[in-house]
Amino acid sequence: GDSVTQMEGPVTLSEEAFLTINCTYTATGYPSLFWYVQYPGEGLQLLLKATKADDKGSNKGFEATYRKETTSFHLEKGSVQVSDSAVYFCALHSAYTNAGKSTFGDGTTLTVKP
Amino acid sequence: DAGVTQSPTHLIKTRGQQVTLRCSPKSGHDTVSWYQQALGQGPQFIFQYYEEEERQRGNFPDRFSGHQFPNYSSELNVNALLLGDSALYLCASSTDSYEQYFGPGTRLTVT
Repeated sequence: GDSVTQMEGPVTLSEEAFLTINCTYTATGYPSLFWYVQYPGEGLQLLLKATKADDKGSNKGFEATYRKETTSFHLEKGSVQVSDSAVYFCALHSAYTNAGKSTFGDGTTLTVKP
Repeated sequence: DAGVTQSPTHLIKTRGQQVTLRCSPKSGHDTVSWYQQALGQGPQFIFQYYEEEERQRGNFPDRFSGHQFPNYSSELNVNALLLGDSALYLCASSTDSYEQYFGPGTRLTVT
C-alpha cells in the first residue's frame, strides 16, 4: 500500500539557516504530493503541493520538487524564521484511490531559535 | 468563508462510553473525510463520506461509524471507547478532488 517516510526529528535551527526536510514515498501510479504544516493546538494547513513529476510547489518561501526517479518530495527553505516553528507533514494522494484519502508521514518538528 | 469547523474542541470520556464528534465542511464542499491523529504521529484515514454514504474506509474497527447529512455536515461516532482512542480527530472537506481543507480538530481524551 501507499506509504510516506519523513526524516526523523526534531530539527532545531537558528534563524536565517537553510532548511531541508526529507520525504520519500511509495505509491501505486503517480500520486499528488503535499506538504502540510501544523502549529500547536491547530489543525493542518496546506503549505504546498505538486501534482506531477518535476513540478515544483512553492509557498511562503518554502519549495519542494516532485522527483519521480527518486520518489522524493523534499521540503526546503532558504532562510527560516522563528515563526516557521511547527510540525511539518508530507502526504500523498494516489490517483488510484478515491478523492480525499491521503496518506501522511509521521511529521517532523521544526524549532527555530532566534 | 467560515472554513471547516469542528465541535467540540475538547472532550473527556471514560472507557466504554460512546462519543459523537461533529464537522461542518467548507462552503461549497460536498465530501468529508475523518482522520485520527495520535500524539506524535501523522493523521490516519478513518473514512470518507460523499452523498450521505460512506465511500471509502481505512483500517479502523466497526466501533467507528459516521454519518453525513443533506447539508454535507458530518458526524463521527465511536462506541465502547478504549484508552487508545485518545487522539486528535481531524475533519477534512473537499469537492471530490485531492485538495482537502482541514478543520482545527477535536481533542478526545479517554480515561
